[in-house]
Amino acid sequence: ETGVTQSPTHLIKTRGQQVTLRCSSQSGHNTVSWYQQALGQGPQFIFQYYREEENGRGNFPPRFSGLQFPNYSSELNVNALELDDSALYLCASSLTTGSYGYTFGSGTRLTVV
Amino acid sequence: GIQVEQSPPDLILQEGANSTLRCNFSDSVNNLQWFHQNPWGQLINLFYIPSGTKQNGRLSATTVATERYSLLYISSSQTTDSGVYFCAVPGRDDKIIFGKGTRLHILP
Repeated sequence: ETGVTQSPTHLIKTRGQQVTLRCSSQSGHNTVSWYQQALGQGPQFIFQYYREEENGRGNFPPRFSGLQFPNYSSELNVNALELDDSALYLCASSLTTGSYGYTFGSGTRLTVV
Repeated sequence: GIQVEQSPPDLILQEGANSTLRCNFSDSVNNLQWFHQNPWGQLINLFYIPSGTKQNGRLSATTVATERYSLLYISSSQTTDSGVYFCAVPGRDDKIIFGKGTRLHILP
């Protein structure tokens, strides 16, 4: 049974560019949640996908968008990158849409310069 | 929305010492979780503990739901216990809300 895999592990982008982060969910999990963790802070909920549909969104602007594929893997896209978007982006998969049973990946460290 | 506050923000201890981490939350919750974030960034669930006390080896947790706080105890600390400990509760739409964490440094 594989866990949650995120790619890439590290990324450097320039302000104004666009970025796509990827997440492979744990086998059997149909729900993926994305979190942004700024340095020294706790993770902040971005959005959740359940069976390819968005199922809840946190307080993030529309330039943060996502996608879930039929195999339940997921992408997080961020357009018009800003310096404050620099953070660790964490993906978690789960069997349900509730707050239980999350398996987290190790994250993608995004630096915007 | 619900607020989660953790204390202390930072803790430096010698190997072998005991520690107590605290989590206060602003509203009633039906669940509470403690996570450990390892140096590679991965969050590992330590406890689901909506109320009462649970123990797992050198770690134990107690939640007093009526008083809206939870405590995480680490006994006989080891260097591998270093990292960030997060308390998390369900927020709006049953999505997890994290506190800011306690950064624990265990010195050899």
